[in-house]
Amino acid sequence: AQKITQTQPGMFVQEKEAVTLDCTYDTSDPSYGLFWYKQPSSGEMIFLIYQGSYDQQNATEGRYSLNFQKARKSANLVISASQLGDSAMYFCAMRGEQGAQKLVFGQGTRLTINP
Amino acid sequence: GAGVSQSPSNKVTEKGKDVELRCDPISGHTALYWYRQRLGQGLEFLIYFQGNSAPDKSGLPSDRFSAERTGESVSTLTIQRTQQEDSAVYLCASRLNPRDASTDTQYFGPGTRLTVL
Repeated sequence: AQKITQTQPGMFVQEKEAVTLDCTYDTSDPSYGLFWYKQPSSGEMIFLIYQGSYDQQNATEGRYSLNFQKARKSANLVISASQLGDSAMYFCAMRGEQGAQKLVFGQGTRLTINP
Repeated sequence: GAGVSQSPSNKVTEKGKDVELRCDPISGHTALYWYRQRLGQGLEFLIYFQGNSAPDKSGLPSDRFSAERTGESVSTLTIQRTQQEDSAVYLCASRLNPRDASTDTQYFGPGTRLTVL
């Protein structure tokens, strides 16, 4: 069955350090899309980055990059030069199987950036 | 342009009452989604609308939950005879065009926090 797993319930990182948030997935679809969202304490879900399963290169968006390892079924989010404003919940998600339009989410990782 | 908006931002109700939650998607976005997020959890899909197609209701947890959408604009999620287990944040999202894989991203509203006493 389709599943997203985020094994880190919480992470603490010093400001300006890089941080990697883990995400593994399972799907029977040969073509799929992976997403990362940030949810600050205000509650809004903010789209960060997208990786298609057939994309040749790892996605990057500013300080965010996605370490996509297809054979290992992992799509880890890397945040470089972390900032205090990066403190939030981070969710990994993927498109539903067999053309389902929904997103399937992991349980999330709470990231705290310490000054 | 304006993002997805939802109202009310907070709703407190008594067990057994009906509630209506509203979502205004981004203008021009043809697809609209509702999700539920219980405290400390990830998002659970509830329902999906796309144009005039029949909605995908596969995520609705019970027949107390229903949703409507007028054309490609406003949607209302209704929960009848609310239960304490319905307490959660209800998030709405919209997407430009699900038939175009290059526009795969869903954009979320701020959510409605529902508390059932």
